[in-house]
Amino acid sequence: SQKIEQNSEALNIQEGKTATLTCNYTNYSPAYLQWYRQDPGRGPVFLLLIRENEKEKRKERLKVTFDTTLKQSLFHITASQPADSATYLCALDRAAGNKLTFGGGTRVLVKP
Amino acid sequence: DAGVIQSPRHEVTEMGQEVTLRCKPISGHDYLFWYRQTMMRGLELLIYFNNNVPIDDSGMPEDRFSAKMPNASFSTLKIQPSEPRDSAVYFCASSLSGPGAKNIQYFGAGTRLSVL
Repeated sequence: SQKIEQNSEALNIQEGKTATLTCNYTNYSPAYLQWYRQDPGRGPVFLLLIRENEKEKRKERLKVTFDTTLKQSLFHITASQPADSATYLCALDRAAGNKLTFGGGTRVLVKP
Repeated sequence: DAGVIQSPRHEVTEMGQEVTLRCKPISGHDYLFWYRQTMMRGLELLIYFNNNVPIDDSGMPEDRFSAKMPNASFSTLKIQPSEPRDSAVYFCASSLSGPGAKNIQYFGAGTRLSVL
């Protein structure tokens, strides 16, 4: 069956360091992989999208990689700040249809 | 645009009562999604619509759940009768399809449902 796995353990990191989150999937052939941020009491907010034929995407302090051979995406927050503390969700979709399947999310806590 | 609007933000009800959750998608978006989020199961897709037509309701847990989209600017998710295990946060999201669209979903703030 299809499965998307993110580290369920919270990631505690010191301010200024790089946070690296992992999204692994099985039995999937996604056309896109997306990352969302969710703050407590709010809905997920889109951050970045990477296509299956792209290796890396950057947006400000965020970087996403996508390895379709390993079936894995890495999400990096460089020079992390306490304001980056949130839960980060990866989501996969296919070329046909607009349905997304979300991973369980990883909570990040950046300590000053 | 004000974004996706959900109401109510919080709902507390007793077991057996009918609950109706409401959603107004972003104007012009042609896809609408209903999700449920719990600590145990994460964010689960319940049902989604394209141009007001239900496309996939395989995530709807049981017949007690129903969803409608009578027009492009309004959708409801109804639970009748409600049970304590339905307690969760329910999200509505919308997206835009078409050339160049990237299937980015925009979420509402959610409705926190507590069934006592």
